[in-house]
Amino acid sequence: SQQGEEDPQALSIQEGENATMNCSYKTSINNLQWYRQNSGRGLVHLILIRSNEREKHSGRLRVTLDTSKKSSSLLITASRAADTASYFCATGMYQGAQKLVFGQGTRLTINP
Amino acid sequence: DGGITQSPKYLFRKEGQNVTLSCEQNLNHDAMYWYRQDPGQGLRLIYYSQIVNDFQKGDIAEGYSVSREKKESFPLTVTSAQKNPTAFYLCASKVAGGATETQYFGPGTRLLVL
Repeated sequence: SQQGEEDPQALSIQEGENATMNCSYKTSINNLQWYRQNSGRGLVHLILIRSNEREKHSGRLRVTLDTSKKSSSLLITASRAADTASYFCATGMYQGAQKLVFGQGTRLTINP
Repeated sequence: DGGITQSPKYLFRKEGQNVTLSCEQNLNHDAMYWYRQDPGQGLRLIYYSQIVNDFQKGDIAEGYSVSREKKESFPLTVTSAQKNPTAFYLCASKVAGGATETQYFGPGTRLLVL
């Protein structure tokens, strides 16, 4: 069963604007990760945040984690056309921590 | 170059036929994974292996089989029992243990039914 639910399913913004994607999950987690997928390609890891962390930054990416609400958000600042892709959250849980459970993704389109 | 390779890029299956998707990695990773992705959907775990000669079923293992005879290789066979095999198949690997949970993905194989 899918652990993560992502919102919105699709997002279209103008280049230069910020993009925010949200992920909610159901059970306790060890960590939450965000991946990016260009159309018809494999996934690329963007950022990992552990359950004892609240915020993490990497370049133009900012991830927050609220374990009390079982939710996370990914913010991409100053978006570029090259950011057009699908973005997935994935949760790693305490049991069988070798596995990740993926959400259904947010399809982001950056209009030039 | 270090990485994960998957072949072929496109694969066509006839009715009643078994087909095998290849996944090779030279990252020296112990754990390897197979996922299925349907259009507009997330990834669902088919099988995973944490060590050579051992593997476990994921959420949707029915109609699939795997082997792990070498650390570098984790082939996936889509059997005739899988009635709806059309999908994008992704292989991934990671280092063993909990030091990092990051998975590294191959480019994928798209399986189509004739």
